[in-house]
Order: sequence, then structure tokens, then C-alpha cells
Amino acid sequence: EAGVVQSPRYKIIEKKQPVAFWCNPISGHNTLYWYRQNLGQGPELLIRYENEEAVDDSQLPKDRFSAERLKGVDSTLKIQPAELGDSAVYLCASSPRPWAASSGELFFGEGSRLTVL
Amino acid sequence: GENVEQHPSTLSVQEGDSAVIKCTYSDSASNYFPWYKQELGKRPQLIIDIRSNVGEKKDQRIAVTLNKTAKHFSLHITETQPEDSAVYFCAASGGRGSARQLTFGSGTQLTVLP
Repeated sequence: EAGVVQSPRYKIIEKKQPVAFWCNPISGHNTLYWYRQNLGQGPELLIRYENEEAVDDSQLPKDRFSAERLKGVDSTLKIQPAELGDSAVYLCASSPRPWAASSGELFFGEGSRLTVL
Repeated sequence: GENVEQHPSTLSVQEGDSAVIKCTYSDSASNYFPWYKQELGKRPQLIIDIRSNVGEKKDQRIAVTLNKTAKHFSLHITETQPEDSAVYFCAASGGRGSARQLTFGSGTQLTVLP
């Protein structure tokens, strides 16, 4: 079974440029998460989707970040414009159902490493 | 919300020795405590977890202990091997609402020296 797939794996951009990350969760997983992992830190939740609905986006910096999951499957996270402090690894994760992460069913992708120059 | 603190941030041990990583949490309603291992450039992967109704859980060379009264839990790796070298993250979840999401610690870089 394929795991969570993310692209691109690496992205280097100049500040003020836009960038987008794509995530394909495990088939059948209704819950999708975007996390940001700064260097030397643990993952921090940006947004959680249940199907196509964003049910927790309280940590998403809405002035420059946006996300969508139009058909309840793939998701895209966008930053526009990017700032130096956005350099981080952006991790996508999925779970088969709500709250399954607290039952050990949280599966991460390999992440998209963003470097903003 | 939940706050998870993890220590130490870096840990070096000789191959064959034991390694211990400790985490504390703030929300007494938290009831699920997983540990993730992240190798360089790879995805975090669950290696062991424990629920609040259990004080200790063991899986081969790794074990986790939980002290609910003190609100801390620890990861123990015995007979360490070079392939144990990675970043380890603890996490906590439980309670209600958004507290049911996982809150991660800041990670421990474990290096096993041959």
C-alpha cells in the first residue's frame, strides 16, 4: 500500500515568491493534516481536514498561507508571499478517521523542505 | 492547550549502552503518549505508544514508562545499535476538543557511537 505522498521534496525560492506543496493521503483516509517542522523542533499543526472541510485551522497564518482539499482527497498548501521565516519542512499526514491519531493511526509523508532565500 | 517538553535535545551513547529520553506534559486530561522516530530526511514513524491506564509498555529493546501523577513519560532504548541513531519525538493527546490532537515535543537527536 502506498503511503502519504508529497511533492516537491525540496524547494528553494526567493523571499516574496509564491510556493505550493501537494499531498496525496493514504487511500481511504478521510482526515488530512498539514504540519510545519522547523529545524530542531517537533511538528506543529497548521490545519486539519475532515474530508474536504477544514475543521481546525487556528494555527494557519491566514495572511499568507492557504490550503485546500477540494474533493476530499489530495490537498495543496500554498504560501504567498514567502518570508525567510517560512523555511521549514512541511509535513502532510493522514488518518483513517477523526481522532485516529490518538490511536496510533497517524501516517506522515516524507515532507517538503522549503528554503527561502 | 497542551505543552510537551522533551529532554535532552541531544544524546550520544556508546553502542550497547542504554538511552533514556524524558518528556513532561501539562494537560492532566491527556491520555495517549506516542513516540516517533525520524531518520534524517525521512518521515516520522510511530515506534511505541502508551495509554494512561498503563504504567509501562515494552517492545523488544524499547520501552515506555508513564507517571501520570508527575505528568511525565520516558522512552528507554536498551542495547543501542547504530541504526537507532535518529531524532525521537514524544507527543501527547487527549482531553477534549483540540486537545485530542497530538502535541509534539521538540525532539532528541540520538547518536549511537560504534
